[in-house]
Amino acid sequence: KQEVTQIPAALSVPEGENLVLNCSFTDSAIYNLQWFRQDPGKGLTSLLLIQSSQREQTSGRLNASLDKSSGRSTLYIAASQPGDSATYLCAVTLVTGSARQLTFGSGTQLTVLP
Amino acid sequence: DGGITQSPKYLFRKEGQNVTLSCEQNLNHDAMYWYRQDPGQGLRLIYYSQIVNDFQKGDIAEGYSVSREKKESFPLTVTSAQKNPTAFYLCASNQYTGAQHFGDGTRLSIL
Repeated sequence: KQEVTQIPAALSVPEGENLVLNCSFTDSAIYNLQWFRQDPGKGLTSLLLIQSSQREQTSGRLNASLDKSSGRSTLYIAASQPGDSATYLCAVTLVTGSARQLTFGSGTQLTVLP
Repeated sequence: DGGITQSPKYLFRKEGQNVTLSCEQNLNHDAMYWYRQDPGQGLRLIYYSQIVNDFQKGDIAEGYSVSREKKESFPLTVTSAQKNPTAFYLCASNQYTGAQHFGDGTRLSIL
């Protein structure tokens, strides 16, 4: 059974720092990997989607990498801002027959201090 | 604007009562999903549907039921058999294996 782990569970950094969030998964037979942001009491906002054939994706100050063979992904946030404070979740898509299922990590709660 | 609408935002359930959570999408996505989120935990899949009139159990389907009579709608019923229903419920949709899009969630509590 696929397991997704995110370390650390919480992270606090001063404004302006570059930071890296980690995601690891146990089954490398994934279809894609997605990073989400969740604000308190809200739903999830998709940040980046990396297909299994890709190594990285970039959107603005965010860069996500994927290493399928080692079962790892990282989310790099450049020049962090207080508005980046949120919980960040990664999820992998497994393909089983015709089914497409996401398995989520527990998230990293990020606080960016002004 | 295209998106997913969940209602109500807050819901309270009495003992022995069934309650239904609404999820509507206007993204024209074929697949829809229901997740449960408990504090400090990731999302767990309850049910999913890849096409109208078809749905499959996820990891924690016991005590829940769904229907998919229309492409844009995927309501979730929390039955009285679900003994620990207090949680944040999230609905999502996507097309094939594209990015999943989420609604703003329904918070269910027990009276």
